[in-house]
Amino acid sequence: EAQVTQNPRYLITVTGKKLTVTCSQNMNHEYMSWYRQDPGLGLRQIYYSMNVEVTDKGDVPEGYKVSRKEKRNFPLILESPSPNQTSLYFCASRRSGANSPLHFGNGTRLTVT
Amino acid sequence: QKEVEQNSGPLSVPEGAIASLNCTYSDRGSQSFFWYRQYSGKSPELIMSIYSNGDKEDGRFTAQLNKASQYVSLLIRDSQPSDSATYLCAVDNTGGFKTIFGAGTRLFVKA
Repeated sequence: EAQVTQNPRYLITVTGKKLTVTCSQNMNHEYMSWYRQDPGLGLRQIYYSMNVEVTDKGDVPEGYKVSRKEKRNFPLILESPSPNQTSLYFCASRRSGANSPLHFGNGTRLTVT
Repeated sequence: QKEVEQNSGPLSVPEGAIASLNCTYSDRGSQSFFWYRQYSGKSPELIMSIYSNGDKEDGRFTAQLNKASQYVSLLIRDSQPSDSATYLCAVDNTGGFKTIFGAGTRLFVKA
């Protein structure tokens, strides 16, 4: 089954404790992206990757890191989480080029206390 | 001005009616436009995509695009309670390396 898999689904952590949210896709998509979703603000892009070893900042990259060492994986790293990073996070992928919709993972609900 | 704007709603329609959802965007070079449906706590799922001016129909859904007016809409005919969700308008920027989402419109369909 074609899918984007995120883990974990739920995560509660404390301020400053490094964490990684994993994302993997099995559709051979070149493009991958991370979004956060907050009430009233919609989906905002954190980072995206056009291909292996090619990443770039989205609209809200502060406090986040990403890497793209393999085509299928695109982990999101929070080196020192803060309470304002409490949010619902989505990983998504799509083919490169125009006219290609995003395929989303199931989301990770992160709470930082 | 936000890059992609939608009425936040909520929009409430009776069962069987037509629901009309609207979206405007600011990037004149945008070429790809999408509507996603999102149930509470779930991930967005693609409903419609549209790439050229005019109407595109798929079952009960019709997407409309007017690039001159920078306007995209989604019509849902014969609305059902199961259509109650948040509808997200999404637009690819010029170059297609970013997909920008509106804040979403909440739709309630009353039985």
